Amino acid sequence: AQSVTQLDSQVPVFEEAPVELRCNYSSSVSVYLFWYVQYPNQGLQLLLKYLSGSTLVKGINGFEAEFNKSQTSFHLRKPSVHISDTAEYFCAVSDMGGYNKLIFGAGTRLAVHP
Amino acid sequence: DTAVSQTPKYLVTQMGNDKSIKCEQNLGHDTMYWYKQDSKKFLKIMFSYNNKELIINETVPNRFSPKSPDKAHLNLHINSLELGDSAVYFCASSPGQRPYGYTFGSGTRLTVV
Repeated sequence: AQSVTQLDSQVPVFEEAPVELRCNYSSSVSVYLFWYVQYPNQGLQLLLKYLSGSTLVKGINGFEAEFNKSQTSFHLRKPSVHISDTAEYFCAVSDMGGYNKLIFGAGTRLAVHP
Repeated sequence: DTAVSQTPKYLVTQMGNDKSIKCEQNLGHDTMYWYKQDSKKFLKIMFSYNNKELIINETVPNRFSPKSPDKAHLNLHINSLELGDSAVYFCASSPGQRPYGYTFGSGTRLTVV
């Protein structure tokens, strides 16, 4: 079975500062990895995904994530955040043999302050 | 046009009632899902259908019954509602049983009083 740990429940940051949201996963099989963003009172939107190949994945809104197999991590980064990036961010994992079932982490609340 | 639409957006009901949530997707996807998001924002899969066939059925009370009349629709019926059923329920779809990532609906906030 897979599990996902998001190490920070809340991350406060000032506008235009860099940010890293941490995600570690546990699985006995190879996995696919995802980051989703949820704005207030909305559904989840896919930011980026890692399926195979290059371990550095670029997504929408200037976000990127790096897959590190040895550390079982998939941290999300942005070099300069905006107020509009304030949202809940979810890391998720899906195993390669399954029915595309996503296992989500508990979420990290990113709060960008002016 | 909304890709994955859920109705209603808000649902307030009394304990013991039966209610349904409807979901429709116009993306041509083969697979649809129901997820429950609790008050702490934790998301957990409940059910998944692929081309009208149930493929994922997590440990969910049998008061919850999904129905997929066709591959564009997945409804969720809940019998004998309990206070603990209060949550946001999300419908999602994907192009099949491959890891393309989901498209989520905007959610249905269910409040049981």
